[in-house]
Amino acid sequence: AQSVTQLGSHVSVSEGALVLLRCNYSSSVPPYLFWYVQYPNQGLQLLLKYTSAATLVKGINGFEAEFKKSETSFHLTKPSAHMSDAAEYFCAVSVSGTYKYIFGTGTRLKVLA
Amino acid sequence: NAGVTQTPKFQVLKTGQSMTLQCAQDMNHNSMYWYRQDPGMGLRLIYYSASEGTTDKGEVPNGYNVSRLNKREFSLRLESAAPSQTSVYFCASRRDKNTEAFFGQGTRLTVV
Repeated sequence: AQSVTQLGSHVSVSEGALVLLRCNYSSSVPPYLFWYVQYPNQGLQLLLKYTSAATLVKGINGFEAEFKKSETSFHLTKPSAHMSDAAEYFCAVSVSGTYKYIFGTGTRLKVLA
Repeated sequence: NAGVTQTPKFQVLKTGQSMTLQCAQDMNHNSMYWYRQDPGMGLRLIYYSASEGTTDKGEVPNGYNVSRLNKREFSLRLESAAPSQTSVYFCASRRDKNTEAFFGQGTRLTVV
């Protein structure tokens, strides 16, 4: 069954440092992949999505992700972390041929001053 | 633009009580979803509805029932609440099978 795995439940970076949040997918066909952000006591909002149009996807708030079929990965990056980036981030996959929509276990990002 | 609206926002139940969580979307989306969020476990899919009149089990359906009342509304029912159902519940909707989801603000449910 298609799924996504997020490595690292907690990631800490210094303000201004590179942010790298990992997501690997399992699928025999190129999936539709998504990254979401959740701020405390709020719902999830979309950061970006991969729909096979381009392997490098740019999202909101300076985030981007690169789809790498050879590594079955869709890691989220941001060149320079800001204090306001502290939140929980979720990777999600649209299960091919169905309406099922599955999330990873999330990565909580902490930004250190 | 209300988007996805969930009610109630907070609820405390006693073990064995029943309740229904309500969700409505005003974006004319076809599919709707119920998730529960627990620390360290991400969002787990309880049930989903691809379209009006259809529902399917997700990853953790036991102890829950759903109703897709019409295109706008998708309710989640706990018939006999258990402490293990203490969680934050999110409703979401999508336009079609390859688009992003839009989420409600969540319902924080505590079962004592």
